[in-house]
Amino acid sequence: GQSLEQPSEVTAVEGAIVQINCTYQTSGFYGLSWYQQHDGGAPTFLSYNALDGLEETGRFSSFLSRSDSYGYLLLQELQMKDSASYFCAVSLMDSSYKLIFGSGTRLLVRP
Amino acid sequence: EPEVTQTPSHQVTQMGQEVILRCVPISNHLYFYWYRQILGQKVEFLVSFYNNEISEKSEIFDDQFSVERPDGSNFTLKIRSTKLEDSAMYFCASSGGVNGANVLTFGAGSRLTVL
Repeated sequence: GQSLEQPSEVTAVEGAIVQINCTYQTSGFYGLSWYQQHDGGAPTFLSYNALDGLEETGRFSSFLSRSDSYGYLLLQELQMKDSASYFCAVSLMDSSYKLIFGSGTRLLVRP
Repeated sequence: EPEVTQTPSHQVTQMGQEVILRCVPISNHLYFYWYRQILGQKVEFLVSFYNNEISEKSEIFDDQFSVERPDGSNFTLKIRSTKLEDSAMYFCASSGGVNGANVLTFGAGSRLTVL
């Protein structure tokens, strides 16, 4: 089976930097994605890593180490609107391209 | 920006009744999915659909569930004989466009309440 571990909650101050870690145990790992979900909303794609290293998209960056089965999402210059749940999700080497989600990290940004 | 649309946004039904949740995926996407999320929990994979057939389904997706793509645009999830534990948010998603098959675009969800 597959398992993903991420912290359940993180609190940070507006303007700060926060890192949300994700470790995974899967067979047939293909890539790691990050999704943001505001309360009552749909998961929204943030980033995808298939290769080791850092991917940067504006204030958000994502990192993957395949050898360590580990990745993280880095959020810089935090804003109040970043308060949401963040899910890491793995893609597997199968034909369906489905995602398997972690349990999510609830980020609370304080003034 | 293209989006996945889902109807209804909220459905309340009596236990034992059948419900159909509808989705219109993004038009040039090739892969379609249903996920569910029980309140406060993670997003769980139900089923994936490609080339007019199920490509994979989870253990949750038992005989109570079925999916259909009745025409070129709609993608439906049918839940027969609903149970209390079927109460959840059901998300439709699609992928396979310019962003690639590994980037899923989710709809806003259909909240199902079973009484």
